[in-house]
Amino acid sequence: DSGVTQTPKHLITATGQRVTLRCSPRSGDLSVYWYQQSLDQGLQFLIQYYNGEERAKGNILERFSAQQFPDLHSELNLSSLELGDSALYFCASSERGMGGEQFFGPGTRLTVL
Amino acid sequence: DQQVKQNSPSLSVQEGRISILNCDYTNSMFDYFLWYKKYPAEGPTFLISISSIKDKNEDGRFTVFLNKSAKHLSLHIVPSQPGDSAVYFCAAQLASGTYKYIFGTGTRLKVLA
Repeated sequence: DSGVTQTPKHLITATGQRVTLRCSPRSGDLSVYWYQQSLDQGLQFLIQYYNGEERAKGNILERFSAQQFPDLHSELNLSSLELGDSALYFCASSERGMGGEQFFGPGTRLTVL
Repeated sequence: DQQVKQNSPSLSVQEGRISILNCDYTNSMFDYFLWYKKYPAEGPTFLISISSIKDKNEDGRFTVFLNKSAKHLSLHIVPSQPGDSAVYFCAAQLASGTYKYIFGTGTRLKVLA
């Protein structure tokens, strides 16, 4: 158990809808990262927050947004969903804002029908 | 443009033998490299890392080698055990102000008993 929790575990929705994925980092970790893993693909970095502020941005679509709240939990919002957004979404946390090991949650599997 | 490449999607090794997983990268600005292991239905877990100022790091049965001139790193597992069967991802960190992690597409290792 990495100490990172993600909810929900599974999400099935329709095209055009909006969903919110939630992540609670390990106790004491200030950084949260979001990744997308599509079928047979590697982990695509989406975005990083450090202590409530956006730190780094990857290949995140404009339809996607994220935030980190004062209690350090984070939410990833996906809107105007398309079939191609079906994927595993992982959240990871780390103690620092740079370098070092990241601890991954179990992921949320999103299926867009 | 895949900056971190794992060209072998799968590898089978006999129990007790050495497993060698390879990773190539293109960006000389990467300064930190990590290996993660992923079991089905779980998030990736950190295995071992190496800073760009080193060429080798060892942790028990796991050793990571970095060849900066060739932009190549490898993970050696000796001796391989059936429990090592998983997907292995290499990741590189770009520390020039962005702290983004770039992951490879993974290599599925199967250790045969």
